[in-house]
Amino acid sequence: GQNIDQPTEMTATEGAIVQINCTYQTSGFNGLFWYQQHAGEAPTFLSYNVLDGLEEKGRFSSFLSRSKGYSYLLLKELQMKDSASYLCAVTISGGSYIPTFGRGTSLIVHP
Amino acid sequence: EAQVTQNPRYLITVTGKKLTVTCSQNMNHEYMSWYRQDPGLGLRQIYYSMNVEVTDKGDVPEGYKVSRKEKRNFPLILESPSPNQTSLYFCASRGTGEYEQYFGPGTRLTVT
Repeated sequence: GQNIDQPTEMTATEGAIVQINCTYQTSGFNGLFWYQQHAGEAPTFLSYNVLDGLEEKGRFSSFLSRSKGYSYLLLKELQMKDSASYLCAVTISGGSYIPTFGRGTSLIVHP
Repeated sequence: EAQVTQNPRYLITVTGKKLTVTCSQNMNHEYMSWYRQDPGLGLRQIYYSMNVEVTDKGDVPEGYKVSRKEKRNFPLILESPSPNQTSLYFCASRGTGEYEQYFGPGTRLTVT
């Protein structure tokens, strides 16, 4: 089976930086997704990491350490619209590559 | 426009009354899947399909059926809905060799 852990809720201030962590335990790990989901809406893709290291995409960056089973999503220059749930999901090799999701982290950005 | 559509978007029904939630994608994707999302539990996979006539169970398949007779459609069938199937349902699709899943807008189902 797969075990994916991320904090349930985080709060941060507009303009600040926040790091959302995700740890996973799974055999046959292939890659790790981050999705953003606003309340009542569909998840939208943010990033997919397969190799170790940091990938930057505008205000959002995602980091992966395969040896530690650890990833984080870094959000810079926070805006009110970044208030959402952030979902960590993993795929395994040799299967459908359809991701299995963690429970998500609800981020609240306040003025 | 490339998209995944689901119908209906909202449904209130009664226990035991069979229902079908449709899912359709126009991107010629091979992979399709269904998830349910419940507070505190995140997105949990119900069923997935790797191509026409190829389906497999996900993590929470009990009480659900699916079919994949055509590449574009992947309906979710609840033969005898129960209140514990009240949830927000998402369909998603992905092409071979791609990693990004595209999600439908969701179907909010209430079973009384």
